[in-house]
Order: sequence, then structure tokens, then C-alpha cells
Amino acid sequence: AQKVTQAQTEISVVEKEDVTLDCVYETRDTTYYLFWYKQPPSGELVFLIRRNSFDEQNEISGRYSWNFQKSTSSFNFTITASQVVDSAVYFCALSENSGNTPLVFGKGTRLSVIA
Amino acid sequence: NAGVTQTPKFQVLKTGQSMTLQCAQDMNHEYMSWYRQDPGMGLRLIHYSVGAGITDQGEVPNGYNVSRSTTEDFPLRLLSAAPSQTSVYFCASSRDRSNTEAFFGQGTRLTVV
Repeated sequence: AQKVTQAQTEISVVEKEDVTLDCVYETRDTTYYLFWYKQPPSGELVFLIRRNSFDEQNEISGRYSWNFQKSTSSFNFTITASQVVDSAVYFCALSENSGNTPLVFGKGTRLSVIA
Repeated sequence: NAGVTQTPKFQVLKTGQSMTLQCAQDMNHEYMSWYRQDPGMGLRLIHYSVGAGITDQGEVPNGYNVSRSTTEDFPLRLLSAAPSQTSVYFCASSRDRSNTEAFFGQGTRLTVV
């Protein structure tokens, strides 16, 4: 069965620090998709990135970067030079190619960036 | 584009009452799903649908019913509300089941007293 583990429940950093949010997943499929979503204090869920299992290239988007490593079943998310606006709950999610079940989410990591 | 629209945004129910949470999307997406979000639990799947007329249970389906008579709408029914159903409910839709991002509604905050 598919499973996503975000071991960090809460992280607090001072503005301009770098921070990495960990995500470990479990799946029996060879084809699957990994996602990160952001939930700011306003409550909506904002899509950040999708990655398929055949693409292990790291990705950078501005201050955000993602490190996908199949060998360790991890899809970690790093924010460089954090800002107060980055304060949110971040969810990692997994979708398997087989079967019908949609996204399975981790329990989320609450990031607080302090000015 | 409206995207995914959920109504109501807030609701207070008494134990034993029934109600329907509405969800509509205007993107012609086949896949729709309902999640509930509780503190420390992340988002847990309640029910989902892979197309009109087809629904299936997720991780926490007890106490909830769904139907999918049209592509656009996917209502979630609480048959007899219980305090354990106090939660924030999110509806989501996606073009494909697995390999495209899901679009979420704004959420419904439900309190059962």
C-alpha cells in the first residue's frame, strides 16, 4: 500500500535561514508521481510541484528546490533564504499509476519563519 | 475560471443532523475526491470518483455518502452528524487520476456540537 511519511511535525527557523522538509514514501509501483502542496494560514491548498518516478533530476524554482532520490524513497523540499511568507503547512503526496486511488498525503510539516 | 467551488464555507450542525457539502468543478475533470483534514492527521481520503456514475471508498468513508450524477458535481452527504466529523473538508478534482495535479476547493469548516 502507498504511504507518505513526513517525520517533521513542526519546524521553526529564523528568516533567511535555509530549511529542508523531509518526505519519505512507500509504494510497490514502478510508476508513480510525487507532489508537494503548500497550505498557507488562509487555508487553501496550493500545488507546488509534481515529479514522476522516472525523472530523478533535481528541480529548482527560485528559492525552492526539490531533491528526488529513488534509492532512499525520498522527495525532500528545500527553501533557501526563507521568508516570513513561507510560513505554512507543507504536504507531500503520492499517487500510484496502478489502481484507482487518488493522492495519498503525508501528515504535513508546519513551517514557521520568524522575522 | 471558477475551478473547484465548495459550499458552504462554514457550517455548524447538531449531533444527528444531516447535511450535504456541495462541490462543483468547471474544468471537465473526470476525477474528483473528498478529503478531511484534522490536526496532526494530514488529509485523509473519504470517497472518490473516477467519472460520472462511479464512486469508491477511501480511507475513512464511514458516516459519509457520495454520488456522481454529473461530471461537474460531487456532493458529500453526512447522514447523521457526529462530533467526530468535526473537521475541514476539501474537495479536489484532476484531469487524470495520478499524473496531474489536483485542484482543491477552499474547504468547508464543519463543527458538530
